[in-house]
Amino acid sequence: NAGVTQTPKFRVLKTGQSMTLLCAQDMNHEYMYWYRQDPGMGLRLIHYSVGEGTTAKGEVPDGYNVSRLKKQNFLLGLESAAPSQTSVYFCASSFWVNIQYFGAGTRLSVL
Amino acid sequence: AQKITQTQPGMFVQEKEAVTLDCTYDTSDQSYGLFWYKQPSSGEMIFLIYQGSYDEQNATEGRYSLNFQKARKSANLVISASQLGDSAMYFCAMREGPNTDKLIFGTGTRLQVFP
Repeated sequence: NAGVTQTPKFRVLKTGQSMTLLCAQDMNHEYMYWYRQDPGMGLRLIHYSVGEGTTAKGEVPDGYNVSRLKKQNFLLGLESAAPSQTSVYFCASSFWVNIQYFGAGTRLSVL
Repeated sequence: AQKITQTQPGMFVQEKEAVTLDCTYDTSDQSYGLFWYKQPSSGEMIFLIYQGSYDEQNATEGRYSLNFQKARKSANLVISASQLGDSAMYFCAMREGPNTDKLIFGTGTRLQVFP
């Protein structure tokens, strides 16, 4: 009963470093999403995917790239991390335009 | 543009009492969906309840109900018989349009339940 699993849970980066966040879901959902959550704000959509091999930009896509090579996985990449990307990152998945189920989040600090 | 407003940064309620968390929305779409999520201190986002814009009855899920007033564009969450475990952040969200998959979130309300 894993649902949506995000790895890692915590990460500290130095400015300019790169990293990839992995999201895996076992619910056979077509749609997957990456959000970021900043203090005092709700979640904001970074990128999303409506199926294997497809990705699209959300509200705040700059500085991030994504890939959906397999239906169950959605990767979020930071090529050159900046302090402004310090945030909590959430992955979610859904069966078409329905309830989105979230992972536990990844807390990222960029120094 | 679609927007979600949660005007209560924080709320307090005594255990076993009911509490209402406010949410207003703005959209020009006729078909939309409204969601409430709970975020406890552990950080995960937990789906609570969903209301479709064409649903005639208010949604209910156990102790959670959604007071949907379409004309006022409000979708308040009512938690009955509050429990200490209800202490958390609560987010209202809207799916914009009938066929889109994107959610817009409000800024959240922190609920504290005291004994």
